[in-house]
Amino acid sequence: EAGVAQSPRYKIIEKRQSVAFWCNPISGHATLYWYQQILGQGPKLLIQFQNNGVVDDSQLPKDRFSAERLKGVDSTLKIQPAKLEDSAVYLCASSLAGGPGNTIYFGEGSWLTVV
Amino acid sequence: DAKTTQPNSMESNEEEPVHLPCNHSTISGTDYIHWYRQLPSQGPEYVIHGLTSNVNNRMASLAIAEDRKSSTLILHRATLRDAAVYYCILRALQGAQKLVFGQGTRLTINP
Repeated sequence: EAGVAQSPRYKIIEKRQSVAFWCNPISGHATLYWYQQILGQGPKLLIQFQNNGVVDDSQLPKDRFSAERLKGVDSTLKIQPAKLEDSAVYLCASSLAGGPGNTIYFGEGSWLTVV
Repeated sequence: DAKTTQPNSMESNEEEPVHLPCNHSTISGTDYIHWYRQLPSQGPEYVIHGLTSNVNNRMASLAIAEDRKSSTLILHRATLRDAAVYYCILRALQGAQKLVFGQGTRLTINP
């Protein structure tokens, strides 16, 4: 079974530029998550989708971050304009449903460096 | 979100058992206890989860205290590939049921 696919794996941009990350979840998984992981810290949830609807985006900095999940499958996370503190790994994850007994599967992450 | 407390780091030797503790004194009756681990340069991966009873799978065992205020992840025979950051997470039955990660325990395995 194919895992959660993310691209690009690595990206270096200058501050104030924009960047987009793409995620393809495991087939059939209704719930999709985007996490931000700053070096030395645990991952922090940015946004959770159930199919193509947003369940939780309370920690998404909406002045510069946006995310969408068209047709309830693939998702993109965009940052515009980027700041130095956005340097982090952006992890996409998916699960069959949102219930607490469901396993969440993570991708390998997209590493962003803002210079 | 209910909070968990884990030691920052632990060290063990290869082929020995490892017991990773987690305190969650504010756990509610419907919170599931999940363990994930994160190997270097990879995304987190699921290890095990439980509600009240002890659980076993091919990766590990989860021992849950009778009052559910603490739990222990047991790796029966550690290998070098088990070196990772281990996260103990409470996942609520109600609401968005998201995973809220803390700092985790960095496990080092000595050859």
